[in-house]
Amino acid sequence: EPEVTQTPSHQVTQMGQEVILRCVPISNHLYFYWYRQILGQKVEFLVSFYNNEISEKSEIFDDQFSVERPDGSNFTLKIRSTKLEDSAMYFCASKLGSFGTDTQYFGPGTRLTVL
Amino acid sequence: AQTVTQSQPEMSVQEAETVTLSCTYDTSESDYYLFWYKQPPSRQMILVIRQEAYKQQNATENRFSVNFQKAAKSFSLKISDSQLGDAAMYFCAQCSTGSQGNLIFGKGTKLSVKP
Repeated sequence: EPEVTQTPSHQVTQMGQEVILRCVPISNHLYFYWYRQILGQKVEFLVSFYNNEISEKSEIFDDQFSVERPDGSNFTLKIRSTKLEDSAMYFCASKLGSFGTDTQYFGPGTRLTVL
Repeated sequence: AQTVTQSQPEMSVQEAETVTLSCTYDTSESDYYLFWYKQPPSRQMILVIRQEAYKQQNATENRFSVNFQKAAKSFSLKISDSQLGDAAMYFCAQCSTGSQGNLIFGKGTKLSVKP
């Protein structure tokens, strides 16, 4: 069965550095998402992406964050200047269609540690 | 604002027994969708079951069923004949029909299954 994959599984970076988290969604899916989970807290929505543009974003997704689908297969999340509070598990998800009941398939996550 | 609350951080069940995980939510939307996701240790989240709010009939998927009480804004998950492989974090989630499918999650319930 097709899966969403994410790389790296764990990223350690220094505060102020840029990081790029990579995701490969399921190939025929059209809707893409990033979520994050700070340790011990809820999984939080960051951004949704469709037709090469951001559909919705949360308050968390400020100017330090950006997303891109550079080559039709990868979906990336960039954090320009990381802060300590960006340390979290970042999950990518994708789904086929626009219906609310369409299943979102999640990747295994990237654990980001900011020192 | 939409919120999802899971009041049980941890639950335990004996193998072959039945367990119910609680979830309440708050929304001003009249139409929305509710989901239960399972996250096994070090694995990605997978969809267990979903419910359309306009449907009165409770969803069922094999050993998994929900008790959807729309007026009470309650959406509990019942796992029958629990198996060792059911041990995982379980997340309750909601999305509104007007969104792009952005999921609002609860904090999760960690389910242990005792042999």
